[in-house]
Amino acid sequence: EVQLVQSGAEVKKPGESLKISCKGSGYSFGTYWIAWVRQVPGKGLEWMGNIYPDDSDTRYSPSFQGQVTISADKSISTAFLQWTSLQASDTATYYCARQEGPLEFWGQGTLVTVSS
Amino acid sequence: DIQMTQSPSSLSASVGDRVTITCRASQGINSYLAWYQQKPGKVPQLLIYAASALQSGVPSRFSGSRSGTEFTLTISSLQPEDVATYYCQKYNSDPRPFGQGTKVDIK
Repeated sequence: EVQLVQSGAEVKKPGESLKISCKGSGYSFGTYWIAWVRQVPGKGLEWMGNIYPDDSDTRYSPSFQGQVTISADKSISTAFLQWTSLQASDTATYYCARQEGPLEFWGQGTLVTVSS
Repeated sequence: DIQMTQSPSSLSASVGDRVTITCRASQGINSYLAWYQQKPGKVPQLLIYAASALQSGVPSRFSGSRSGTEFTLTISSLQPEDVATYYCQKYNSDPRPFGQGTKVDIK
């Protein structure tokens, strides 16, 4: 069974750094792209970017380029999304999803709250 | 970059009604279009891929079609459990934006 399990909810202050994770199981992790999707409370879905874990080829949406870093460690079947300096506007739920064309399998989401 | 424009932003219909949601791509994307359903408080789920292929386990009242750069999601007979927000997404190349979403509820 394909599963993507994300790390737990986070509460951070503006300016702090953060790295959240997405661990895949039930399939060959390195050979499927992983996408990250943002959902601000009460708003729609935003595709942030994706990574191919086997060679770490990474693509970003222009809206998120330079704002976040996507990475992966195929040895532990885990993808990551990180920020160096969070802002209140980063408050959202972040989903990872296995991208085989469409997004067929999704993680449960990680709620990130940034508040002073 | 290609933009995805979805309409309407919301709709209210009665149980049993036929519901249609439209998504337009600003450029050609062939049939590389997916539809997702997100029920309140839940994780999005893939409904349709390749513009018209039904994902396994999805009820047959859902269907998708394509005419050029215009794509349609149809619910043939709206059910109470279909209350959700529906999103289209293009996936022919990166970036892969979603449409703005269509919130469907019961009248």
